[in-house]
Amino acid sequence: TQLLEQSPQFLSIQEGENLTVYCNSSSVFSSLQWYRQEPGEGPVLLVTVVTGGEVKKLKRLTFQFGDARKDSSLHITAAQPGDTGLYLCAGSSGGSNYKLTFGKGTLLTVNP
Amino acid sequence: NAGVMQNPRHLVRRRGQEARLRCSPMKGHSHVYWYRQLPEEGLKFMVYLQKENIIDESGMPKERFSAEFPKEGPSILRIQQVVRGDSAAYFCASSILGGRVDTQYFGPGTRLTVL
Repeated sequence: TQLLEQSPQFLSIQEGENLTVYCNSSSVFSSLQWYRQEPGEGPVLLVTVVTGGEVKKLKRLTFQFGDARKDSSLHITAAQPGDTGLYLCAGSSGGSNYKLTFGKGTLLTVNP
Repeated sequence: NAGVMQNPRHLVRRRGQEARLRCSPMKGHSHVYWYRQLPEEGLKFMVYLQKENIIDESGMPKERFSAEFPKEGPSILRIQQVVRGDSAAYFCASSILGGRVDTQYFGPGTRLTVL
């Protein structure tokens, strides 16, 4: 069974601070996606990474896929209250590449 | 915004009743996926459907749960004789191709509460 461990589970910071959240596994994934989920809503896709070592930037968010495609990180620069939410990573691999395996998420709170 | 639509958003059922959850995929998407999010748990894959076909139902409980995606109309996740343990958020996602890097777009979910 493939597992994705996300850390930290909870993170509370002040506006303007930088932060990094992690997504780790002992399994190799062919692709990895990051989503943000707000209370009462479904996950919204932020980015998909598919190549080992890949780095993608989305405004103040930087996503990195590990060289071995087993882990990923999300770095947010100068966090804002609007960044508050549950950040989920999800991976797919093998023949059942449509079957996303989700981590439990990092709940980020950015205080004004 | 023609995103993935799910209804109802909230559903309350008593033990033993049936629950029907509907999902309309994004326009042009012919692949539908259902996931379940239990309290304090991550989203878990349940079933993958294309029009009129179940491709993979390996994540579905063997009893009481069924899913369909008819030629016309929304995909339906049906739970018969609900029990309290079925209380969860059920999310539907859709995609265009269903391939390796095909993006799954999620709906807002149906929160099922079993009394």
